[in-house]
Amino acid sequence: EAQVTQNPRYLITVTGKKLTVTCSQNMNHEYMSWYRQDPGLGLRQIYYSMNVEVTDKGDVPEGYKVSRKEKRNFPLILESPSPNQTSLYFCASSLSAGGYTEAFFGQGTRLTVV
Amino acid sequence: AQKVTQAQTEISVVEKEDVTLDCVYETRDTTYYLFWYKQPPSGELVFLIRRNSFDEQNEISGRYSWNFQKSTSSFNFTITASQVVDSAVYFCALSEAANYGQNFVFGPGTRLSVLP
Repeated sequence: EAQVTQNPRYLITVTGKKLTVTCSQNMNHEYMSWYRQDPGLGLRQIYYSMNVEVTDKGDVPEGYKVSRKEKRNFPLILESPSPNQTSLYFCASSLSAGGYTEAFFGQGTRLTVV
Repeated sequence: AQKVTQAQTEISVVEKEDVTLDCVYETRDTTYYLFWYKQPPSGELVFLIRRNSFDEQNEISGRYSWNFQKSTSSFNFTITASQVVDSAVYFCALSEAANYGQNFVFGPGTRLSVLP
């Protein structure tokens, strides 16, 4: 079954404690991206990756890091989380960018930073 | 710059009423794609439709229909005979073919509550 898997689904952490949210896809997609969803703002792109070792900033990259060492995985790293990073996070993948192909979204990770 | 506006923050209707969710977009690209996603209370994003900028035909899928009008830059979504299960947040999104890096720009979403 084609899917994007995020872990964990729910996470509560304390300010400053490094964390990683994993994202894995089984469709051999080249394009992957991370979004955060906040009330009244919709989803905003954090980072994206066009292929292995190729990543770039989206609209709201501050406080986040990503890596793409393998095609299937695209982890989101918060080196020093702060309360303003409390949000619902989505990972997405597609064969290519630009809307030509269908995008698949993960189930979401709800992060709370206290 | 690309932008998606969903002016209706929240809508409440009674079951079996028809409801239209508005979406207005801005883009300078001539080739682009428009999407609607549903986010039920469980939180996942459910794909509903994708429409490219060269196809202005309206689409109907069961109780759902979409009206795409390039003249007004709108891509509105109508649910006919709404049901409680339609209660969700609905997002309209835009993807420009030329903006190869940024896959989607989402609107802020419209929360629909269908009351029994």
